[in-house]
Amino acid sequence: GDSVTQMEGPVTLSEEACLTINCTYTATGYPSLFWYVQYPGEGLQLLLKATKADDKGSNKGFEATYRKETTSFHLEKGSVQVSDSAVYFCALSARNQGGKLIFGQGTELSVKP
Amino acid sequence: DADVTQTPRNRITKTGKRIMLECSQTKGHDRMYWYRQDPGLGLRLIYYSFDVKDINKGEISDGYSVSRQAQAKFSLSLESAIPNQTALYFCATSDNAGTAYNEQFFGPGTRLTVL
Repeated sequence: GDSVTQMEGPVTLSEEACLTINCTYTATGYPSLFWYVQYPGEGLQLLLKATKADDKGSNKGFEATYRKETTSFHLEKGSVQVSDSAVYFCALSARNQGGKLIFGQGTELSVKP
Repeated sequence: DADVTQTPRNRITKTGKRIMLECSQTKGHDRMYWYRQDPGLGLRLIYYSFDVKDINKGEISDGYSVSRQAQAKFSLSLESAIPNQTALYFCATSDNAGTAYNEQFFGPGTRLTVL
């Protein structure tokens, strides 16, 4: 079945460091791909998305490119801030599944001043 | 006011007790979902509903039941709670246009502990 695999955390970075969180997926067909973020004590919220190959999603300085050839959707940011500390979830939605999301296990990011 | 609300936010109960978690939304969405979050496992889908008359099992429905009382309300029940149902539970909603890439909107979560 469809699945999503993320790099394990926690990831600890200093402020202004570069961030990459790896995400790869297995799916039949061409799913839509998402990154959700969960700030401490809150529910998940959409960070960015891409709906077809080579699309780049971007928001709040984060970006991710839908790579069909490597089945990947890595999350990147050039300069992280303390306020980026959160848990990040990669997810996919298969086109024949009515919008159901399949999540990766989540990657906790901690940014130190 | 929050668009997706969940009650209670925290609950501690004992093995064998019946528990109901409630979710309400003001977004006017047809689709509603229940997930549980466990450390290292991400979120897993328990049940989902595409409209008031439509209820579907998700990946891990055993031990759970749901009720869609209205478009805006979707409740999750644990008929006889057990300790491995201790988790963080999230409700989510989405609309039904362009289904493959719709954003889901999440509630703040209910932290359930079963002793």
